[in-house]
Order: sequence, then C-alpha cells, then structure tokens
Amino acid sequence: DAGVIQSPRHEVTEMGQEVTLRCKPISGHNSLFWYRQTMMRGLELLIYFNNNVPIDDSGMPEDRFSAKMPNASFSTLKIQPSEPRDSAVYFCASSGLTYEQYFGPGTRLTVT
Amino acid sequence: AQSVTQLGSHVSVSEGALVLLRCNYSSSVPPYLFWYVQYPNQGLQLLLKYTSAATLVKGINGFEAEFKKSETSFHLTKPSAHMSDAAEYFCAVSDYNNNDMRFGAGTRLTVKP
Repeated sequence: DAGVIQSPRHEVTEMGQEVTLRCKPISGHNSLFWYRQTMMRGLELLIYFNNNVPIDDSGMPEDRFSAKMPNASFSTLKIQPSEPRDSAVYFCASSGLTYEQYFGPGTRLTVT
Repeated sequence: AQSVTQLGSHVSVSEGALVLLRCNYSSSVPPYLFWYVQYPNQGLQLLLKYTSAATLVKGINGFEAEFKKSETSFHLTKPSAHMSDAAEYFCAVSDYNNNDMRFGAGTRLTVKP
C-alpha cells in the first residue's frame, strides 16, 4: 500500500505566483481532506470531499484558495495569487469506511 | 459540533517515566476518538482509535488510551517513555454521522535522558 502521495514535497515561489499542490489518496478511500499546519495556528482543516464532492470548504481562507477533485484518485489545491502568509505545510489525508484519516507526508510551501 | 481540548502544549518526562497526555472532548453524539503522532518533518500517523467498543484501547509503540464518558476524557498513556517517543501528539474527535475530524492543538512531548 503506497499510502497518501503528495507532490511536490517542497515548493518555493514568489509572491503573486500560482501554486498547485497535488494529492493521490489511498485507493478505495472515499473521503479526502486538505489541511494547513503552521506554528501560529496549528492544524487547520481547509476543505474535505466525500465521493469527489466538496462537503465543507468553510476553512478555505479566501477566494485565492481553490480545491478540486476530478476523480477518486486525484485532488489539487491551488493558490492564486500566493502571498507570504500562505507559507505553511499543507497536508492531504484520506479515509474510508472506518473513519480514521491517513495523512500524506505534506508539502512545505514557502512564498517569498 | 464536536471539539477536543488538549491540556498542556508541552510535556517533559524522563526516559523510563510514565507518559500521560491529556485530552477532553465535547460531542453531542457518541464520539469516535483518535490519537495521532507527528514526528519532525512528517505527516500525522495514527496511534490508536476508540469507536465505541472496548473503553481501553491499545495502540502502537506501547501507547494506550482510556475512554471515560463520565469525565469526557480520552487520555493517552505509556508506562515507560523512550527517547524515540519525543514528538507532537494530537487528539481528534469525529462522530458516526460524518468523518469531519476535529483536531486538538497538539502536545509536544520531550523525553530527557
């Protein structure tokens, strides 16, 4: 089992650029979650999908953030335009019928 | 809505000593409760979970947690700390209606030699 796969693992970009983070959930899992982790705010849920449908996006900070899940094996989180305050580690997690979430290794985003 | 509160953002113990990390939950329906561990520069890893079966749950790496409904608690314990236990620990809650999991703020465990 490959686990949750995220890419890239590290991203450094300049303010104003578009950033796209990618996630492949565990095969057979029907829920996918995007989190952001910072020292100041801890672990924050941004959005989650059930069966590829967004269920709760109330954690998405603002319109600069968008997430899609075009199929059961792929999701993206996009930030456009990026700002320095978006610098954080972004985690993707997936879960199946037993509810526990399995996390990917994260993408460390630095916006300069 | 459900939530968890972790008491103590930092806990320090000596190697071989008891580890006790505290978590209290709030939920209007029977909860599912979880403990996760995060090592530096890694994602969160599931330690153990409670889903309304036995109230004492055993997890990986010698950790266990006890669900106490009367105290709305789900504290994590390990009889003897090891240096490799140094990490951040997160308590989380969800309910059987959905898998929208809510995490606590985390407790950083330091193990002194």
